[in-house]
Amino acid sequence: DQQVKQNSPSLSVQEGRISILNCDYTNSMFDYFLWYKKYPAEGPTFLISISSIKDKNEDGRFTVFLNKSAKHLSLHIVPSQPGDSAVYFCAAFKYQGAQKLVFGQGTRLTINP
Amino acid sequence: DTEVTQTPKHLVMGMTNKKSLKCEQHMGHRAMYWYKQKAKKPPELMFVYSYEKLSINESVPSRFSPECPNSSLLNLHLHALQPEDSALYLCASHGGPLTGGEQFFGPGTRLTVL
Repeated sequence: DQQVKQNSPSLSVQEGRISILNCDYTNSMFDYFLWYKKYPAEGPTFLISISSIKDKNEDGRFTVFLNKSAKHLSLHIVPSQPGDSAVYFCAAFKYQGAQKLVFGQGTRLTINP
Repeated sequence: DTEVTQTPKHLVMGMTNKKSLKCEQHMGHRAMYWYKQKAKKPPELMFVYSYEKLSINESVPSRFSPECPNSSLLNLHLHALQPEDSALYLCASHGGPLTGGEQFFGPGTRLTVL
């Protein structure tokens, strides 16, 4: 049972344009949703998170939107830069119980010059 | 200090060897995690320690043995591994209920089992 899904394995965007990465979830009990960026052979780096009681959180070039009725969140990167090329993981977290991150399968973002 | 450190960075071992992976954080976090990550896959949870006690074992084979000597340190003891255990092993820590679910990850140990 995959509770967090990223349906696009890859995305290619031109430098300077907007990158939009999508994530769907099935469990409405999650408390937080997070985005991590990962380069090969490195640990994931936290980018931005959003509480389940909010619908938008912004940090510099990164904005996360949460649509609870659709059980959908998205990460917007504006403007996209070559250094943004990486694998992006969506993750969800629930305080009650195991307190573990549930990850999506990841989306490989490539920013083209 | 928002860093999680892991040693060694790379490890090559035979199937009969015994080795240990080490993880350290000085953020005062009381939850620490071991993950395994294969190429093109998300991190896969192995163990969770909460307040230095093992709270979750995700049905990991006994050839992996975790240890939490104190609140800053986490070890993973390896013995009689198989080639399919080759992966990137990640340690992470979490600040607890007053934080937003964010886990801080270390750089990982790239393990190769021959």
